Amino acid sequence: NAGVTQTPKFQVLKTGQSMTLQCAQDMNHEYMSWYRQDPGMGLRLIHYSVGAGITDQGEVPNGYNVSRSTTEDFPLRLLSAAPSQTSVYFCASSWREARRNEQFFGPGTRLTVL
Amino acid sequence: KQEVTQIPAALSVPEGENLVLNCSFTDSAIYNLQWFRQDPGKGLTSLLLIQSSQREQTSGRLNASLDKSSGRSTLYIAASQPGDSATYLCAVRRVYGQNFVFGPGTRLSVLP
Repeated sequence: NAGVTQTPKFQVLKTGQSMTLQCAQDMNHEYMSWYRQDPGMGLRLIHYSVGAGITDQGEVPNGYNVSRSTTEDFPLRLLSAAPSQTSVYFCASSWREARRNEQFFGPGTRLTVL
Repeated sequence: KQEVTQIPAALSVPEGENLVLNCSFTDSAIYNLQWFRQDPGKGLTSLLLIQSSQREQTSGRLNASLDKSSGRSTLYIAASQPGDSATYLCAVRRVYGQNFVFGPGTRLSVLP
């Protein structure tokens, strides 16, 4: 199993550009989520999904869109990039069932917005 | 609102010492608590998962305890090694909304 994969590893954008961060998992997990990690702020939840076709907002959703058309994929879209979105982005997945919901993380995408 | 704190923010110890990292959370309505390790510039690696009905979990030199009623968890590392140097994060999974809330982490340095 590849686990949770993220692409790209690094990305530089100009203000106003849009892009999609890809996340995929091959563990058949229902639950997937996106976090951003900033110095001094810890990990903050952007959006999450409890299954295909179901998404919900986390703590810091503004400026980001998600969709979940399949169990495996959970892309994160930046609509119009801003310097405040410079961060490291992590995708994670787990089983939805409470007894089996250990989270597994991808390696991260380091995004710089100029 | 669930808030998670970790004390201390940073810790430096000589090799071989036993040490304890602390995690506190404000809302006891949790499914579980998970401890992670993060090396600089890397992703998060899961260390231990404790379900809300459990009191502790062990893996090798690591032992994590959970006292849900008091909103506390500790991660005990025995016989620390320089390779244990990393940032350690705890996260709780909320019952309401099912999302995870992370603490800010403890940065550990184990000196040879």
